[in-house]
This record gives sequence, C-alpha cells and structure tokens, in this order.
Amino acid sequence: RKEVEQDPGPFNVPEGATVAFNCTYSNSASQSFFWYRQDCRKEPKLLMSVYSSGNEDGRFTAQLNRASQYISLLIRDSKLSDSATYLCVVTNTNAGKSTFGDGTTLTVKP
Amino acid sequence: EADIYQTPRYLVIGTGKKITLECSQTMGHDKMYWYQQDPGMELHLIHYSYGVNSTEKGDLSSESTVSRIRTEHFPLTLESARPSHTSQYLCASSPPGQVTGELFFGEGSRLTVL
Repeated sequence: RKEVEQDPGPFNVPEGATVAFNCTYSNSASQSFFWYRQDCRKEPKLLMSVYSSGNEDGRFTAQLNRASQYISLLIRDSKLSDSATYLCVVTNTNAGKSTFGDGTTLTVKP
Repeated sequence: EADIYQTPRYLVIGTGKKITLECSQTMGHDKMYWYQQDPGMELHLIHYSYGVNSTEKGDLSSESTVSRIRTEHFPLTLESARPSHTSQYLCASSPPGQVTGELFFGEGSRLTVL
C-alpha cells in the first residue's frame, strides 16, 4: 500500500462545478499536510497548507482529519485555469521528508 | 517567487556521458531535495540533504550521486548516463524549523539520454 493515496481521477468537470479531491495517508507520524498544484511540464507549486481546523482560500477549502488520516480539497465555482494536477503531500517534519501522492488531474471544460 | 534555480533546463546527451545537474537556492534553506518525475507520473525522492556535508538516499534507488559542500548548492551527478535516466529532475528546498514542511521547487531539468 502506498504511503499517500489519492483519488485516481482524472476529473473532467464543467466550468462552475464544485469538485472534491480526497487523500489518505498511512504514516501516523506525519505532521504537516499540503496541497500542491502542478501544471503540465511545470514544477509543483504550493496551493495551500492543510490544518485540522480546516482552512479556506477563496474558492479552495482544505480539510484534515487526523483520526481518519484523511485530507480533502474542495474547489468551488471551478475555472478553466484550475485545470492541473493536484498533489497531496504529507510531511514528517522531524525526519524532514515529504511524501507525494500520485496526483489527481482536473480538467475544467467550458 | 521562490529563489531556487536549476541548470540546465533541458539537456540531450549521448549514452555514457557524465552529466551534472546544478541546483542553487538563495533563501538560506538548510534542507534540499532531488526528485525524479517521468511524464504524467508521481514524484520520487532520490536524494536529500539536511545541511552542509549531509546527504542521504531517498525512497527511489538512483545511480546518481549528490554533494552538499555549500548550503546554497546541491548538484546531482550521473557518471555514465543511460537512456533509462531520461526523466525530469526537480530540485527543491525547505526552510529550517519544526513547523514547516513547505517545499520550494526549481523549474526542473529535463534530461534525455539517447
């Protein structure tokens, strides 16, 4: 079993749709959690950190459930520019190591 | 924008050649990483460093080697390139401190070995 597992995707949605991505992790020692966005043939870039209390940044909402070892990302009112691969990242800050999920690809269509 | 730079961005080279991929960051980050990513596939950690003179192998076995003589510099070397080394290599760094974990990536070096 992989240490970080994401929805396999791909997700193809119309503009304006709400889409949710899920991610589970197996290492209970994990301490920091992130969603990254990676455009085709580009480097990953941080989208948002994920906290137990949940956090929201505009149309994006991230949630962490430590008991279930589960992370989610919700995108509301999706735009064409949201088309990308979304990577779930789990970090053990004591070990200084981050583990990436395989990514979930989103395509937003007009 | 993150201040982490990789060169070359693109490299096409013949089998058996020695190559070095350069990575430099000006943010004073202590931790640095090399990831390998094939098109459409996940990132695999191949090397990391916690500071000067510290290097460790990552989760994916790699024939490459790294060095960390200066904080800002983390080059990756392949002594004898093979077609199986064709991939994108992404360098990243992370600032010191326990609470963090955010990675800052360079733009990547896309290597093609003929």
